[in-house]
Amino acid sequence: AQSVTQPDIHITVSEGASLELRCNYSYGATPYLFWYVQSPGQGLQLLLKYFSGDTLVQGIKGFEAEFKRSQSSFNLRKPSVHWSDAAEYFCAVGPNQGGKLIFGQGTELSVKP
Amino acid sequence: EAGVAQSPRYKIIEKRQSVAFWCNPISGHATLYWYQQILGQGPKLLIQFQNNGVVDDSQLPKDRFSAERLKGVDSTLKIQPAKLEDSAVYLCASSLWGAETQYFGPGTRLLVL
Repeated sequence: AQSVTQPDIHITVSEGASLELRCNYSYGATPYLFWYVQSPGQGLQLLLKYFSGDTLVQGIKGFEAEFKRSQSSFNLRKPSVHWSDAAEYFCAVGPNQGGKLIFGQGTELSVKP
Repeated sequence: EAGVAQSPRYKIIEKRQSVAFWCNPISGHATLYWYQQILGQGPKLLIQFQNNGVVDDSQLPKDRFSAERLKGVDSTLKIQPAKLEDSAVYLCASSLWGAETQYFGPGTRLLVL
């Protein structure tokens, strides 16, 4: 079965602290992996994506993610969180030539001053 | 470059009424998607169009939901009659033909009373 699991529903970090959001997936074929961010009342903005090559990918806003095939994981990281990073983050998996994206349930990030 | 446009942004209706949402994709994007995002969940695909043809509508509740993309550009999603459980955000996304990256609109937030 194709699925994406984000184990953490809600995470709170202090501004300036590091962040790691977890994502595990189950997918039959070689997938594309994505991280999207959704601010309140907004659509989804693509942070980064991975298909092949270097397993550490860089995205916008200082985010990066690491693909680990052996663990079926694609965790999102940021070295120093800013208050403006507070939002909901979605991990997704999809086919390599376009098609249905399967999303996790999301992780809500709160940032403490 | 203009993004994906959706309207209306918000809609409140009573159960058993009908409602329609409109989406205009990014210019040149052949593929258009409608996703349903229920509160606390990740988006789930309802229907995928390639130009004006349906590629995947396996998750569309066809007894009450319909969608069309007559000229291969903008699209309309309709619900008739609406049920309480249809309260959700309806997201439209588009991509280039065969491309893996989907670009999302701001969504239409529907509340069914």
